[in-house]
Amino acid sequence: DSGVTQTPKHLITATGQRVTLRCSPRSGDLSVYWYQQSLDQGLQFLIQYYNGEERAKGNILERFSAQQFPDLHSELNLSSLELGDSALYFCASSPGYPPLHFGNGTRLTVT
Amino acid sequence: GQQLNQSPQSMFIQEGEDVSMNCTSSSIFNTWLWYKQDPGEGPVLLIALYKAGELTSNGRLTAQFGITRKDSFLNISASIPSDVGIYFCAGYSGGSNYKLTFGKGTLLTVNP
Repeated sequence: DSGVTQTPKHLITATGQRVTLRCSPRSGDLSVYWYQQSLDQGLQFLIQYYNGEERAKGNILERFSAQQFPDLHSELNLSSLELGDSALYFCASSPGYPPLHFGNGTRLTVT
Repeated sequence: GQQLNQSPQSMFIQEGEDVSMNCTSSSIFNTWLWYKQDPGEGPVLLIALYKAGELTSNGRLTAQFGITRKDSFLNISASIPSDVGIYFCAGYSGGSNYKLTFGKGTLLTVNP
């Protein structure tokens, strides 16, 4: 158990809808990262937060947004969903430096 | 941007065999990490390397941080069926954002 908790584990929704994925980092970790993993793809970095502030952005679509709250949990919001957004979404946390510890992901299916 | 070349892409071995996989980069990294991912689960940290030339073991796993700081390898000795999964290398080059660059993974299959 990495200590990183992600909910929900599975999510099935229709195109055009909006969903929110939630992540609770390991106790004591200040930084949260979001990654997307599509079928046969590696881990694509989306965005990183450190102590509530955005620290780095990767290939995150404009339809996607995230935030980290004062209690350090984070939410990833995906809107106007398309079929191609179907993927595993992972959250990871760290104290602010590597290594990162990953949650078990949310599997999003857009139909 | 930075890229990691991880090889091989896949391996099919017999139980009991040793395995070796590696990652190379055109850029220098300050930290190398190796993760394993089982189907439907998140990547699990296996070994972290922080110093050029460092050799670190975790049970049957051994990883090394290349002297040039541009490569790393992971060895698994006496493979067992539960070693099946995808192995990822990741590098961190420094800076304030602590973003990791991941390799595309090595899919390991172990035949009992």
